[in-house]
Amino acid sequence: AQKITQTQPGMFVQEKEAVTLDCTYDTSDQSYGLFWYKQPSSGEMIFLIYQGSYDEQNATEGRYSLNFQKARKSANLVISASQLGDSAMYFCAMREGKLIFGTGTRLQVFP
Amino acid sequence: DAGITQSPRHKVTETGTPVTLRCHQTENHRYMYWYRQDPGHGLRLIHYSYGVKDTDKGEVSDGYSVSRSKTEDFLLTLESATSSQTSVYFCAISVSSGSSYEQYFGPGTRLTVT
Repeated sequence: AQKITQTQPGMFVQEKEAVTLDCTYDTSDQSYGLFWYKQPSSGEMIFLIYQGSYDEQNATEGRYSLNFQKARKSANLVISASQLGDSAMYFCAMREGKLIFGTGTRLQVFP
Repeated sequence: DAGITQSPRHKVTETGTPVTLRCHQTENHRYMYWYRQDPGHGLRLIHYSYGVKDTDKGEVSDGYSVSRSKTEDFLLTLESATSSQTSVYFCAISVSSGSSYEQYFGPGTRLTVT
């Protein structure tokens, strides 16, 4: 069974608008962590944000926030005020001992 | 910058030849990882290490071996490369601080097996 599911293979958003990238996960552990990474066309993996399963508040890092809904097992990434440079692949991952990645969402920001 | 380098960055090799990829870190992190990235699969864990000479398998370890004789270096070896091992390989380290946990990746190695 898929541990991490990203159902949106591609998303489009206009510059300066907000966008939500979906991620659902499956685990029976009580202690786990959720991550989002950005992979631009240059290929590097850039760490964006982390949410621990016991963290009561949603994680935020600048324009990135993680909408953590534990009961629904979802960890959506919200990017506010999109910029052209946000165009990239975005991967959700879960730490259940080791990191398990979703298949990614390609985000394209247009002017 | 987590001080992770990978070498080589690009390599083309023939089926059946041995290949070794190197990951080097400068900050003495205990945990190191090797992933491969293929279209439609995201990143998949090959092997990881939790200390010098301490390694374990990930989800796609067949055909790969690893070694870690020094904290700073984690080597991935393909004993006899196959075309199915054409991929982009990423090394990573993890950093824990209190309740925070972060994993940082190297720049990647693009391996082509012909």
